[in-house]
Amino acid sequence: SAVISQKPSRDICQRGTSLTIQCQVDSQVTMMFWYRQQPGQSLTLIATANQGSEATYESGFVIDKFPISRPNLTFSTLTVSNMSPEDSSIYLCSVLGLGANVLTFGAGSRLTVL
Amino acid sequence: ELKVEQNPLFLSMQEGKNYTIYCNYSTTSDRLYWYRQDPGKSLESLFVLLSNGAVKQEGRLMASLDTKARLSTLHITAAVHDLSATYFCAVGPGGSQGNLIFGKGTKLSVKP
Repeated sequence: SAVISQKPSRDICQRGTSLTIQCQVDSQVTMMFWYRQQPGQSLTLIATANQGSEATYESGFVIDKFPISRPNLTFSTLTVSNMSPEDSSIYLCSVLGLGANVLTFGAGSRLTVL
Repeated sequence: ELKVEQNPLFLSMQEGKNYTIYCNYSTTSDRLYWYRQDPGKSLESLFVLLSNGAVKQEGRLMASLDTKARLSTLHITAAVHDLSATYFCAVGPGGSQGNLIFGKGTKLSVKP
């Protein structure tokens, strides 16, 4: 299955700042997604990262807050903008590999907003 | 709106015992996934269940799917400490393979 590298793995951020998380996959994948896991909670899909076009956002998530890029088949970024303590979460990149029928998840980026 | 409910949310077991985790979902889906998450780690895929009556087994874990009842079970046989983790079920609505709806997870603790 695809190997996903996410960075940063963790960061402590100040309120009002923005942070960009990178997701690099070692092989071409059909689909890339960004999920959020709030402390002690389950996972929620933020958006589908579409190559060369705007991401598709789920209800409750907007592009101004979570801009996403996917310039090619193996790389995507998620920015968490104008952060507040409520944005403290683990953000996970996930991919559906070619011919795969199950999502593979990256190790996640743990953000703490003070 | 698709909802996925797991129970129990917390499970403390003794080694050697058997137990079942239940996953109910609220709308039609023919794809159900089980993932394992260790503390501080990402999710590891355990099982993919793609049809009614599907049963898969790996070691001490066995998962099954009843699409008519909208129910999946994860059965643990003769638990060992290494199985301590949080287990999530997730359902894929419609034809999407990426937009998964996750349950809240079952935190399993296996004690000697």
